[in-house]
Amino acid sequence: GQSLEQPSEVTAVEGAIVQINCTYQTSGFYGLSWYQQHDGGAPTFLSYNALDGLEETGRFSSFLSRSDSYGYLLLQELQMKDSASYFCAATANTGGFKTIFGAGTRLFVKA
Amino acid sequence: KAGVTQTPRYLIKTRGQQVTLSCSPISGHRSVSWYQQTPGQGLQFLFEYFSETQRNKGNFPGRFSGRQFSNSRSEMNVSTLELGDSALYLCASRPDRGARTSGRPETQYFGPGTRLLVL
Repeated sequence: GQSLEQPSEVTAVEGAIVQINCTYQTSGFYGLSWYQQHDGGAPTFLSYNALDGLEETGRFSSFLSRSDSYGYLLLQELQMKDSASYFCAATANTGGFKTIFGAGTRLFVKA
Repeated sequence: KAGVTQTPRYLIKTRGQQVTLSCSPISGHRSVSWYQQTPGQGLQFLFEYFSETQRNKGNFPGRFSGRQFSNSRSEMNVSTLELGDSALYLCASRPDRGARTSGRPETQYFGPGTRLLVL
């Protein structure tokens, strides 16, 4: 089957660092992506990992361990505008690329 | 470059009716995927089209169908609507693998969605 697990909610304070974990069970796994979605908005792409290791994009970093079927999104120097839902998504190559999303993690950033 | 567009943005229907939603991908993108999003359920994959062919399908009943036209525009249709079909329907396009357009094929670009309410 295809499934991803991530925490439903995370709360952190402004200026702090927060890590959102994601574990996956995906046959034909190709890579792990992260998307951000603000209330009422569409998901927007944040980061992608195809290989093990850390990818850094400004305040956001994403990590992947293929052997552990695990990844995380790291958000540094949290700002109030980072309050949103964050989705991990596994891309699988099943004769065509298919992307399966986790249920999302709601991040609340407090002052 | 214009983003992914979806029409209509909002729709109210009653049980038993059918509905057709439209999606225009980013110019040059031939892959279009559809997702259903309900509170607490994340994004559930419906299907993906590439060059007018359905390439992948999620676990939805046959009431959910789609198609893609030669200009890569896509439509999805839901027949015999049920209350549980109330959701945000998102479409996303992605660059072709190996294409000279910018972006990676793993990156999906989402439209604003169509919010469907079934009464």
